[in-house]
Amino acid sequence: AQTVTQSQPEMSVQEAETVTLSCTYDTSESDYYLFWYKQPPSRQMILVIRQEAYKQQNATENRFSVNFQKAAKSFSLKISDSQLGDAAMYFCAYRTYSGGGADGLTFGKGTHLIIQP
Amino acid sequence: DTGVSQNPRHKITKRGQNVTFRCDPISEHNRLYWYRQTLGQGPEFLTYFQNEAQLEKSRLLSDRFSAERPKGSFSTLEIQRTEQGDSAMYLCASSLQGLTDTQYFGPGTRLTVL
Repeated sequence: AQTVTQSQPEMSVQEAETVTLSCTYDTSESDYYLFWYKQPPSRQMILVIRQEAYKQQNATENRFSVNFQKAAKSFSLKISDSQLGDAAMYFCAYRTYSGGGADGLTFGKGTHLIIQP
Repeated sequence: DTGVSQNPRHKITKRGQNVTFRCDPISEHNRLYWYRQTLGQGPEFLTYFQNEAQLEKSRLLSDRFSAERPKGSFSTLEIQRTEQGDSAMYLCASSLQGLTDTQYFGPGTRLTVL
């Protein structure tokens, strides 16, 4: 079974600074997807960024980028120019690629990101 | 708004009662997922549907939990004989079958069992 570990229960960063959230995972599969989701307080889960394991290039979405190290099974999220609206729980998630079939996501426990004004 | 919707948003019930939650997916999405999220944890996958077919249900927490998607549109999750340990946020997500199959989440239903 796959597992996802987020070792930082809480992180704090000054507004406009850069922060990196860590995620490691364990799998025996070679094809899979990795995601970062954001869950603001009392609001729904929002997709931040997605990475396909077969792609060597790290995904980027505006201020958000990932450092995907497949051999190390590491998938960190970097947030540049942090904004107050970035404050949320961030979850790392894994999904198998079973020939295009669907499957549930396996989530880590989350990292609570605090933005200091 | 054409996102995933869930009703009710909050449900308070007494132990032993049955509860049912509804999820309406994004209209063109043919896959629908249910998750449970307890305090301080990430969501835990329960079950999913592709159209009307429930393709994975082994992760349902007990035989008190059941889900349906009768016409391949909305879905319901029922918990029978609720227990205090069932108190949690129940999340629904939907996706469009395809290469990336990204899941989009609803706001959740928060269940409190007294």
